[in-house]
Amino acid sequence: GENVEQHPSTLSVQEGDSAVIKCTYSDSASNYFPWYKQELGKGPQLIIDIRSNVGEKKDQRIAVTLNKTAKHFSLHITETQPEDSAVYFCAASKNSGGYQKVTFGTGTKLQVIP
Amino acid sequence: KAGVTQTPRYLIKTRGQQVTLSCSPISGHRSVSWYQQTPGQGLQFLFEYFSETQRNKGNFPGRFSGRQFSNSRSEMNVSTLELGDSALYLCASSWEGGSNGEQYFGPGTRLTVT
Repeated sequence: GENVEQHPSTLSVQEGDSAVIKCTYSDSASNYFPWYKQELGKGPQLIIDIRSNVGEKKDQRIAVTLNKTAKHFSLHITETQPEDSAVYFCAASKNSGGYQKVTFGTGTKLQVIP
Repeated sequence: KAGVTQTPRYLIKTRGQQVTLSCSPISGHRSVSWYQQTPGQGLQFLFEYFSETQRNKGNFPGRFSGRQFSNSRSEMNVSTLELGDSALYLCASSWEGGSNGEQYFGPGTRLTVT
């Protein structure tokens, strides 16, 4: 089955710096790659996603890149702020027999130091 | 539009008991997925319901079951609770599931088994 690896597991950055989280996947049939932010005591919140026919997508300070050949995708957060501190999950999804099959990464705990 | 709601938010049960958790998806969403989140195992997929039918199931024992009603609300049930069932149970809804639809998570139900 699909295997999604996420690195690093923890990341500390100074406020204003950039943060990059990387994920690799194993199943070339995966075609949808969402990223989620989970704050303490809350459920994961979808923050950005990318589909396999796109190489890059940007939304204000957040961007995601996808390299299908290498089977990896990354989340980039620029000008980090303390409120960006949270756990971030990547996921890879594909259609399998008419239903979704989503595999999540193990999460990255991001700490933005003021 | 109201988000995904889950009830109850917190639950304490004794080993051997059973528990029922409820999830109301975003209005118009027909797919509901359930996940178990623990520090050691991360986000693990339990099952997905679409139009009252379970169409995808993860690798959990038969003690974990679920159902979906005609209004798309879903419940999951865990029988004969074990200490290892202590976790955050998340449900996520999407319009049709699959990699064509984004998933939106609820806040989760924190289950503690003593």
